[in-house]
Order: sequence, then C-alpha cells, then structure tokens
Amino acid sequence: NAGVTQTPKFQVLKTGQSMTLQCAQDMNHNSMYWYRQDPGMGLRLIYYSASEGTTDKGEVPNGYNVSRLNKREFSLRLESAAPSQTSVYFCASSFHRDRGWKPQHFGDGTRLSIL
Amino acid sequence: SQQGEEDPQALSIQEGENATMNCSYKTSINNLQWYRQNSGRGLVHLILIRSNEREKHSGRLRVTLDTSKKSSSLLITASRAADTASYFCATVFYSTLTFGKGTMLLVSP
Repeated sequence: NAGVTQTPKFQVLKTGQSMTLQCAQDMNHNSMYWYRQDPGMGLRLIYYSASEGTTDKGEVPNGYNVSRLNKREFSLRLESAAPSQTSVYFCASSFHRDRGWKPQHFGDGTRLSIL
Repeated sequence: SQQGEEDPQALSIQEGENATMNCSYKTSINNLQWYRQNSGRGLVHLILIRSNEREKHSGRLRVTLDTSKKSSSLLITASRAADTASYFCATVFYSTLTFGKGTMLLVSP
C-alpha cells in the first residue's frame, strides 16, 4: 500500500522557471493538502482541497496554484519560481472534510531548490 | 495565532530513559495531535486527544492535555534509538489545523 506518493523527490530550478509538483494518494481520502516546511518554521499550509472539485487557500498561497485533478491526485504549480520558494514541500491527505478531525497522512516530500 | 509551541526545541537522552516533550498553545482547541518526523521523511500521526480528554495512551506513548493551562505533553517511555526524530504538536480548532515548530529528540544507544 503506497499511501501518499510525491514526485519528484528532488528538483533544482532557476529563478523564473515553472514546475508542477505531483501528489497521488491511494487511500480513498476525500481531502488533500499541500504544506511547505522551512527550518525553524514548522509546516505551513499552502492550499487544501476538502473534496474533489474544491480548493481553498491556506496560510501561504501566494506564488502557487493547485489543481485537484480527481479524487486521487492534487498538484501544486509554481508559475515563476523565486528563491523564497526554496523549501521542502509535503502533500498530505485525510478522510474528512474538516481537516483537523482525522489524522493526516503525509508523503515523503519534494526538496526544491531555486537558484 | 493558535500555533502550538513545543518545548524543548531539542532533547538528547540515552536509550531506556523517558522523553517528555511539551506543547503550549494560545486559543481554544477541539483536539490536539502529535506527529513524528524521521529525518528526510514525511510526518506520521501518533496520537489524537480531544479537548474533553485528559490523558491518552498508545503503546509507549502517553499524552496529557490540560485545557486550563493550554498545554499538552508527550511522554515516550523506555526510549529506543529508533525514536530519534522530530516531534510536532498540531492544534485543531474547527477546520483549522496548525503545526508547531517541533522538538528534535536524539536517543543515543
């Protein structure tokens, strides 16, 4: 059972380039999330999707877009990468519309460096 | 912000000892969760305690919650080297879940 799968695991971009981070879950969860983790900052929510067809902004959405492609997949796009977006990005999923009431299951992250 | 804050930031102990980590927060909560993160990996959910509960156990883990003091503690008994990880509390209020900055635990053989 794969759980939450993120691709790629590592990526280096130049400032201004674009890219899409992919996330897929096989647990039939209805809610999915994108976080970034920076040293000393904990995890901060970028966007979330409570159910297929809906997306909402989190704490730090600027510079990002998301697409809930179907129930399994939730992608995060950086249209014009900036050095401040250097971070580790985590995708998570859970089995409930209210994102705090059920445990979240995390992928192993994408380590993104922007030069 | 209702973000939880873990204390201490880092903790170093020997195998077999107990490890205690604390989480303080500022506003009301519906529940509080603890997660573990091994180096280079994603977070793994450990335990959830609801606001009307005072203590919860899971294996070698014991979590307490004191809503009057707005604090929670995570106790790991008989620590093992494999417990080396970062531990995060996450506070939940309705649809908002907020992670703290974590405690790094090092368990030496």
